Amino acid sequence: DAGVTQSPTHLIKTRGQQVTLRCSPKSGHDTVSWYQQALGQGPQFIFQYYEEEERQRGNFPDRFSGHQFPNYSSELNVNALLLGDSALYLCASSQDRGLLWGTEAFFGQGTRLTVV
Amino acid sequence: AQSVTQLDSHVSVSEGTPVLLRCNYSSSYSPSLFWYVQHPNKGLQLLLKYTSAATLVKGINGFEAEFKKSETSFHLTKPSAHMSDAAEYFCVVSGGSYIPTFGRGTSLIVHP
Repeated sequence: DAGVTQSPTHLIKTRGQQVTLRCSPKSGHDTVSWYQQALGQGPQFIFQYYEEEERQRGNFPDRFSGHQFPNYSSELNVNALLLGDSALYLCASSQDRGLLWGTEAFFGQGTRLTVV
Repeated sequence: AQSVTQLDSHVSVSEGTPVLLRCNYSSSYSPSLFWYVQHPNKGLQLLLKYTSAATLVKGINGFEAEFKKSETSFHLTKPSAHMSDAAEYFCVVSGGSYIPTFGRGTSLIVHP
């Protein structure tokens, strides 16, 4: 079992550009959540996808959007990038909504996004 | 509403001595509480979780935590630190369909 895999591992973008990050969940998991972890901070919940729909959203602007595919993999899209979007983006997969309902989530190694 | 406070940004111990990482939480419902560890350039790994069963929770690698409702605390302990324990530790409160809330993290430094 490969666990949760994310791609790419590192990315450099210019302010104003758009970016797409990808996540493949752990085998058997149907729920994918995305987190933003700024340097020196704890992860912050962006949103969760379950049954191909956004089920819960944290305090992030509409520039952050996502998608879940029938095979449960997911994408995170960020439009009109700002310097402040530079962070480690973590994907977590789980069964039954994971941390939202108090069950374990498995995390990928993350994508390090640098906006210049 | 919920929140979590990790009381120490850094904890420094010598190898073989006890570890204590402190976490306080607030929640308007019965929470689920977790400790995750993050090694450099690695993803988050679950150490242990509390979900309203036994208040003393045992996790991986010799870590354990005690849920104290009266003190709204969920401190992480280990009797004897190893060099491999050096990492960032996060306390998380969740449940009740509220979005999971992570603490700001405690960096554990282990000296030989």
